[in-house]
Amino acid sequence: DAKTTQPPSMDCAEGRAANLPCNHSTISGNEYVYWYRQIHSQGPQYIIHGLKNNETNEMASLIITEDRKSSTLILPHATLRDTAVYYCIVRVGDTGTASKLTFGTGTRLQVTL
Amino acid sequence: DAGITQSPRYKITETGRQVTLMCHQTWSHSYMFWYRQDLGHGLRLIYYSAAADITDKGEVPDGYVVSRSKTENFPLTLESATRSQTSVYFCASRGTSGYEQYFGPGTRLTVT
Repeated sequence: DAKTTQPPSMDCAEGRAANLPCNHSTISGNEYVYWYRQIHSQGPQYIIHGLKNNETNEMASLIITEDRKSSTLILPHATLRDTAVYYCIVRVGDTGTASKLTFGTGTRLQVTL
Repeated sequence: DAGITQSPRYKITETGRQVTLMCHQTWSHSYMFWYRQDLGHGLRLIYYSAAADITDKGEVPDGYVVSRSKTENFPLTLESATRSQTSVYFCASRGTSGYEQYFGPGTRLTVT
């Protein structure tokens, strides 16, 4: 699985967009980009995933560069409840296998008033 | 309750004791996983299971035993607990048609 690099921490004002970057320069053609987050003392929560096209759901948007070597998770209107550690994970997206996730250290997002 | 549950939520045990952490999911997901989370290491995969009676080792399996006789349950046993196994343990599951894993609330285990 491709290795990812994320900033250790970021701050964002409540109501503003939070843009969390992730570098994955060694990503392979069949590897997806997944984002999870972990709010303090809770289990990780799936946010979104994508292969090469930009994706959007009710929680966030995922922007993947054309060369797929980096991506950005966007929380359009961050709230205090979005304060969490955000993990960018790259791996093959085959649903027919265990698709084990390798969590790095992530980005600690602090949303402030 | 629908979803994925873990029990107990908190456990204190002594070195050398056997302890079993329970994980139960109501979605009939094929895949189930056990992770541990420690400061400085993030989440690390201990064991996983692709279906009932099919299990495999993850990144840090030593000292742990798993079984999966029923699809919905995936217990994790520490046969002889050590202080290094003090951690927060998360169970997760995933269906065969989706990419996302769903995590339980975690069990905080302290070995004294």
